[in-house]
Amino acid sequence: DAGITQSPRHKVTETGTPVTLRCHQTENHRYMYWYRQDPGHGLRLIHYSYGVKDTDKGEVSDGYSVSRSKTEDFLLTLESATSSQTSVYFCAISGQGRNTEAFFGQGTRLTVV
Amino acid sequence: AQKVTQAQTEISVVEKEDVTLDCVYETRDTTYYLFWYKQPPSGELVFLIRRNSFDEQNEISGRYSWNFQKSTSSFNFTITASQVVDSAVYFCALSADQGAQKLVFGQGTRLTINP
Repeated sequence: DAGITQSPRHKVTETGTPVTLRCHQTENHRYMYWYRQDPGHGLRLIHYSYGVKDTDKGEVSDGYSVSRSKTEDFLLTLESATSSQTSVYFCAISGQGRNTEAFFGQGTRLTVV
Repeated sequence: AQKVTQAQTEISVVEKEDVTLDCVYETRDTTYYLFWYKQPPSGELVFLIRRNSFDEQNEISGRYSWNFQKSTSSFNFTITASQVVDSAVYFCALSADQGAQKLVFGQGTRLTINP
């Protein structure tokens, strides 16, 4: 299994509070991603990173920010959580080159009440 | 823009039946990659297969097989002699990037295999 660890695995937070989810990899892969999974939508890309301090937006980036200060860590921050951000969040990593695939972490279930 | 459609929301079959999961995609890119992932009840996402757009050869891996047809923009997944352990949500995904694997997912098909 690819070395990806997400923390926390579960979190309940109140509307309006900041929340940070962490993704840590031990594979030294260049690319890291954050997706959210919601019923009826599959997974949707929030943000991704193509190197240290290099990030870009995905399909559903509003309300989220990311940072990558080290190759192994990719942080997702909800500056002010809303109920619409209740979801399961997955981190993924992939290597360089065409013939690669993305490997996913175990997911973080976030509930905003 | 890319789009992936999995029209079958839920499928339920009896063990040992064959079952096909449909995946239709849309993209204007000439080079792209198609994927299938499995999400068992435990929740993790397990990579099953990657197919490049320039390789239309079908693939078989044990009881699993994949039929890629560019003419119909489809990448269907068949499980032969299904087993209870095949019960999961299956996702088809598409990426048209040459570097980052920015995946566009279908909505998923929940497959239930009944004993």
